Amino acid sequence: GAGVSQSPSNKVTEKGKDVELRCDPISGHTALYWYRQSLGQGLEFLIYFQGNSAPDKSGLPSDRFSAERTGGSVSTLTIQRTQQEDSAVYLCASSPPRGNNSPLHFGNGTRLTVT
Amino acid sequence: GENVEQHPSTLSVQEGDSAVIKCTYSDSASNYFPWYKQELGKGPQLIIDIRSNVGEKKDQRIAVTLNKTAKHFSLHITETQPEDSAVYFCAAGKTSYDKVIFGPGTSLSVIP
Repeated sequence: GAGVSQSPSNKVTEKGKDVELRCDPISGHTALYWYRQSLGQGLEFLIYFQGNSAPDKSGLPSDRFSAERTGGSVSTLTIQRTQQEDSAVYLCASSPPRGNNSPLHFGNGTRLTVT
Repeated sequence: GENVEQHPSTLSVQEGDSAVIKCTYSDSASNYFPWYKQELGKGPQLIIDIRSNVGEKKDQRIAVTLNKTAKHFSLHITETQPEDSAVYFCAAGKTSYDKVIFGPGTSLSVIP
C-alpha cells in the first residue's frame, strides 16, 4: 500500500524566505511526527501530532518553526525567515492508532537547502 | 529528557562476519527500543524492536538484546551481506506510540 509521502523531495530557497513542507501520512494513521536530520547526523525530534493536536512540540528549534495538521491527515511544517542552519532533511513519520503494534513509518524526506 | 548514545559511529566488516552495534539510554522510564535501517536517499525503516519486558528478540539474522538495569541495548547482525550496508539507528521511547529519541547512527559497510 501507499507509504508516507512528502513533498517536495528537494527544496532550494534563499535565506530569509519562508518555506512549507508537506506530509501525507499513511491512511488511518492517527499519529504524525516531524524529525530533522542534518548532514551525517542522527534524527532530531521536532513535533508530534495525535489527531490534529500537538501534545509535544518541544523539539521545535525556534519560533520561526511551526506545524499544523488538518483533518487528522495532511501536515505542513512551515519555516519562516529561513537561515542557512535550517538546511537539513526533514523527515515525517506516521504510526497507527494506540493499541496496535505502532512503529513509526517514515517518508523519504524533504531535503531543504538554504542559500 | 531522554538521551541515546550509540557506538561505533562507523563499522566495517567482511561479508559473512557478524556486526554488533551498542546503545545506551538515560531515561529509566523508557520501555520501547526500536532499531531502524536507513539507505541512501531514503527514510529510516524499522528492522526490529524490543520492549522492556523482554531481554532478547531474534528475527532471522538480526537479534536485539536489552539490559534494562544497565540501560544498554544492542543490535547483532550475523552472516552479514553487502545489502546490509546502511546507516543503523537505535532509539528509545516510553511506548511504541510516543515519540522516540534516536541515537546518532552507525554507518555499516559490509565488504564483499
